[in-house]
Amino acid sequence: AQKITQTQPGMFVQEKEAVTLDCTYDTSDQSYGLFWYKQPSSGEMIFLIYQGSYDEQNATEGRYSLNFQKARKSANLVISASQLGDSAMYFCAMRAKAAGNKLTFGGGTRVLVKP
Amino acid sequence: GAGVSQTPSNKVTEKGKYVELRCDPISGHTALYWYRQSLGQGPEFLIYFQGTGAADDSGLPNDRFFAVRPEGSVSTLKIQRTERGDSAVYLCASSPLGVSRDEQFFGPGTRLTVL
Repeated sequence: AQKITQTQPGMFVQEKEAVTLDCTYDTSDQSYGLFWYKQPSSGEMIFLIYQGSYDEQNATEGRYSLNFQKARKSANLVISASQLGDSAMYFCAMRAKAAGNKLTFGGGTRVLVKP
Repeated sequence: GAGVSQTPSNKVTEKGKYVELRCDPISGHTALYWYRQSLGQGPEFLIYFQGTGAADDSGLPNDRFFAVRPEGSVSTLKIQRTERGDSAVYLCASSPLGVSRDEQFFGPGTRLTVL
């Protein structure tokens, strides 16, 4: 079975500073993908970034980067230069090949950016 | 282009009633997913379609839940004899091919409230 753990229920970050959101995962599959999604108060799930288990380089997408440490089974999201619009829930998710195409989500971290 | 759409956006029903929730995926996407998100939690997988067939329905909680995708496009999630515990946001997502690197594009969700 796959499991995603996000240990930070909520975080405050000052505008323009960087913030790291923790994510650890558990799977026995060797082939898997890790995703981060943002969910604003409007409720939609917005894809941010993807990291494949065989990708050698850490993924980056604009202000988002993924700190992938395979041996530790962690996939932390780093948001640089935080903006007020970054205030939202953030979900880490995993898709393991052996488990098919479904996403397994963590419990989420709520980020509030302070001006 | 148009994203994933879901109707209705809100549904209030009484315990024991039957409800149908509709999902219109992005045109051309072969894979379609249903998730359920309870308050304060991450989404939980319900069912996945590849084309017209349910490729994985392991997340359906019991036989009161059923989903169809008869023409490989629009999908309907059907819940019989609703219970108060069914209250949640039901999210639909679609992806182009349903392969591991595919990003899943989410709809805005249907908020179901069972009184």
